[in-house]
Amino acid sequence: AQSVTQPDIHITVSEGASLELRCNYSYGATPYLFWYVQSPGQGLQLLLKYFSGDTLVQGIKGFEAEFKRSQSSFNLRKPSVHWSDAAEYFCAVLISNFGNEKLTFGTGTRLTIIP
Amino acid sequence: NAGVMQNPRHLVRRRGQEARLRCSPMKGHSHVYWYRQLPEEGLKFMVYLQKENIIDESGMPKERFSAEFPKEGPSILRIQQVVRGDSAAYFCASSPRRGEGNQPQHFGDGTRLSIL
Repeated sequence: AQSVTQPDIHITVSEGASLELRCNYSYGATPYLFWYVQSPGQGLQLLLKYFSGDTLVQGIKGFEAEFKRSQSSFNLRKPSVHWSDAAEYFCAVLISNFGNEKLTFGTGTRLTIIP
Repeated sequence: NAGVMQNPRHLVRRRGQEARLRCSPMKGHSHVYWYRQLPEEGLKFMVYLQKENIIDESGMPKERFSAEFPKEGPSILRIQQVVRGDSAAYFCASSPRRGEGNQPQHFGDGTRLSIL
C-alpha cells in the first residue's frame, strides 16, 4: 500500500530564511503528488501538484517542489518565508486506479516563523 | 463563495447521540470525498462517493458510520451513537470528475465534532 512520510513534525525558521519541508512516498509507480497547507481552524489549500513532465513544479505563494524519483521524494521549498507562511503543511499522494481516487496524507509538518 | 461548503463548522454531541455532517461540493463537481483528522494527525480517507453511488468506503469504520450523496442535495456523513473517540475534524473534498488523478481535490473548512 502507498504511504507518505514527513519526517519533520515541527520546523522553526526565521522570517526571510529559506525553507525546505521533506516528503517521501512509497509506491511502485509514479504517483500523483500534492502539497497542501492548513491554517489553524481552516481546511486544506492546494499549494502545488505533480502529475508528470517537469520535475520542478511551481505553486502558489512562492512555493515550489521537486520530484526526485530516485529518492522517492517530493520536497517543498521556498526561498524566503513570510510570517504568514506559519501553518501546517501536508504532503499527499494519490493513486488513481479505476474506482479508487483517495489521497493518502503524511502526518504533517508544523511550520513556525520567528521574527 | 463557490468553494466546498461544509456545515456545521462546529458540532457538539453527547455520547450516544447522532451526528450529521453536510457537504456541498463545488459547483460542477460530482465527486465527493470524506476525510477524518484526529488531533495532531494527518487526514485519513474515509469514503469516496459520486451521485447516488458509493465508490470506495474502505476507510469507513464498519459500524455506526454511513455516507450518502443523493441525486439532489448535499452529501451527508452520518455517525450514529457517537463515542468520545469520534471527536475529530471531518473534511469534505470534491473534484469535477475522474481524470486519472489530474483533477485535484478541493477541500472545505471542515466540521469540528466534539463529543461530551
